[in-house]
Amino acid sequence: AQSVSQHNHHVILSEAASLELGCNYSYGGTVNLFWYVQYPGQHLQLLLKYFSGDPLVKGIKGFEAEFIKSKFSFNLRKPSVQWSDTAEYFCAVNEPGGSYIPTFGRGTSLIVHP
Amino acid sequence: DTAVSQTPKYLVTQMGNDKSIKCEQNLGHDTMYWYKQDSKKFLKIMFSYNNKELIINETVPNRFSPKSPDKAHLNLHINSLELGDSAVYFCASSQVYTGELFFGEGSRLTVL
Repeated sequence: AQSVSQHNHHVILSEAASLELGCNYSYGGTVNLFWYVQYPGQHLQLLLKYFSGDPLVKGIKGFEAEFIKSKFSFNLRKPSVQWSDTAEYFCAVNEPGGSYIPTFGRGTSLIVHP
Repeated sequence: DTAVSQTPKYLVTQMGNDKSIKCEQNLGHDTMYWYKQDSKKFLKIMFSYNNKELIINETVPNRFSPKSPDKAHLNLHINSLELGDSAVYFCASSQVYTGELFFGEGSRLTVL
């Protein structure tokens, strides 16, 4: 079965610091990759997605992620975080040709101090 | 118009009761899901349903049952509620093989 690992469970940064959140998955075949954000008290929203093509994906609010197939990774980055980025971040993976149900990582809680 | 809507948003009930949560999507998607988010924010798939099949996470107690009157609706019915059922339940929809989920706002269930 597919599994998704997010290595950082809690991250605390000051505004303007750079961010990188790790995500690794276990499946070796074709995958679709996602990062979702959940602001306090809200539902999950899509930050960015990778289906195919350029492995460097740009999303909303200045976030980007890089798909490295050889490392089974899809790390999320932002060069300069803001207080408003305080949220829970989830990596998710699905197998379009197999078990299409997305599997989520356990999430990373990001707190940004002003 | 809200793309994926759930009702109620909050639900407080006693152990042993039966309750339902409704979900509707107006995106024309062919697949709907129920996820449970626990107090540690972990998201666990409970059900996936499209026109052709219902996929049930085998770890979900059979007290939980999905009901889909049509492809735009997937309701969650829970029998004999237990304390451990307290969580936020998220409905979501997608086009089946993309995996890109559109979530509802969640229904916070508290069992006393």
